[in-house]
Amino acid sequence: GEDVEQSLFLSVREGDSSVINCTYTDSSSTYLYWYKQEPGAGLQLLTYIFSNMDMKQDQRLTVLLNKKDKHLSLRIADTQTGDSAIYFCAESSVSGYALNFGKGTSLLVTP
Amino acid sequence: DAGVIQSPRHEVTEMGQEVTLRCKPISGHDYLFWYRQTMMRGLELLIYFNNNVPIDDSGMPEDRFSAKMPNASFSTLKIQPSEPRDSAVYFCASRYSGGLTDTQYFGPGTRLTVL
Repeated sequence: GEDVEQSLFLSVREGDSSVINCTYTDSSSTYLYWYKQEPGAGLQLLTYIFSNMDMKQDQRLTVLLNKKDKHLSLRIADTQTGDSAIYFCAESSVSGYALNFGKGTSLLVTP
Repeated sequence: DAGVIQSPRHEVTEMGQEVTLRCKPISGHDYLFWYRQTMMRGLELLIYFNNNVPIDDSGMPEDRFSAKMPNASFSTLKIQPSEPRDSAVYFCASRYSGGLTDTQYFGPGTRLTVL
């Protein structure tokens, strides 16, 4: 099967920028997604990017897409303690109906 | 809209018992997904439905697991008999195929502990 790869942990200081990286495998993915999971909760859609875009900015969030390298990143500016969570990268599956998720990156923001 | 609703939120049972997890998707959504999340394996897709019909159950671990969707507003995931290795958080998600993207909306999950 196809794998979406992410680093497992990231620790940053409050106020710094966080960059979470992801590599995906399906070059035909139409959309790529970032989901956020807070402790004890389900996954919430954070943002997504259409595959013909290189960058998308939404307030403190910047998504960069490098289709050639199949690399996706999520930058969080001015990271706050409330940003501590698990962040999942996901791509549309080959079937076009399901999503393939990475294992998630645990972001810890320290004061 | 209340979002995807799952019940119970927590379930503790003993090995060998039957467990039934319930999900109510967002009204109007025509896809429903069941996932399992563990530390070791991350998020695994178990099965998904389109218009109440199971489309892909290749992720269902074994015959002890079964899922049904009797109508557009209700689905169940049953484990019989349950085993300790089934302990995980089970998520239900739904999606509307007429939207711009294939965004899935997740419920809060059911944390299952099998002793």
